[in-house]
Amino acid sequence: RKEVEQDPGPFNVPEGATVAFNCTYSNSASQSFFWYRQDCRKEPKLLMSVYSSGNEDGRFTAQLNRASQYISLLIRDSKLSDSATYLCVICTGNQFYFGTGTSLTVIP
Amino acid sequence: DVKVTQSSRYLVKRTGEKVFLECVQDMDHENMFWYRQDPGLGLRLIYFSYDVKMKEKGDIPEGYSVSREKKERFSLILESASTNQTSMYLCASSLVPGADTEAFFGQGTRLTVV
Repeated sequence: RKEVEQDPGPFNVPEGATVAFNCTYSNSASQSFFWYRQDCRKEPKLLMSVYSSGNEDGRFTAQLNRASQYISLLIRDSKLSDSATYLCVICTGNQFYFGTGTSLTVIP
Repeated sequence: DVKVTQSSRYLVKRTGEKVFLECVQDMDHENMFWYRQDPGLGLRLIYFSYDVKMKEKGDIPEGYSVSREKKERFSLILESASTNQTSMYLCASSLVPGADTEAFFGQGTRLTVV
């Protein structure tokens, strides 16, 4: 079983829409959780960390559900500039485990 | 501004050549990683290092080796490049994992083996 499972999409949404991504992980001992954003032909960059209490950064909300072992990312009021691939990243022990990424395209 | 720097953005090498990919970080991080990223497969760990002169195999170490002689530098070596090693190579570094220990990435090296 993969450490991290993520729906690859693609998600094509109109501007202003709300879109949500989920990611499941297999190791209950995982200690840190993140969402990264990766633009075409660029390196992944941290979008936000994910906490059990849920956390928000502007239009972005991240949530961790330890009981069901998944993390989520909600993007409200989508902008054209949100078009990218979103990677969930789980830190377990001394390693990072990556989802395959979810492709988002926001359409005018 | 924290930085992970990879020596080349683009490389073209011939089959059988020995290839060196260099990565330097200026954040005094203990951990350094080499990944390759391929469409549909995501990031796969090749090797990582948690200290100078220490290395651990990742998920796909075959055909690769690494060197970490100094804390800030982690090199990936393709002993004899093959066409199936054409890929995007990403270096990353982090502190010792704990709460909120994120990984910082270099800009990536797109390697083509012909």
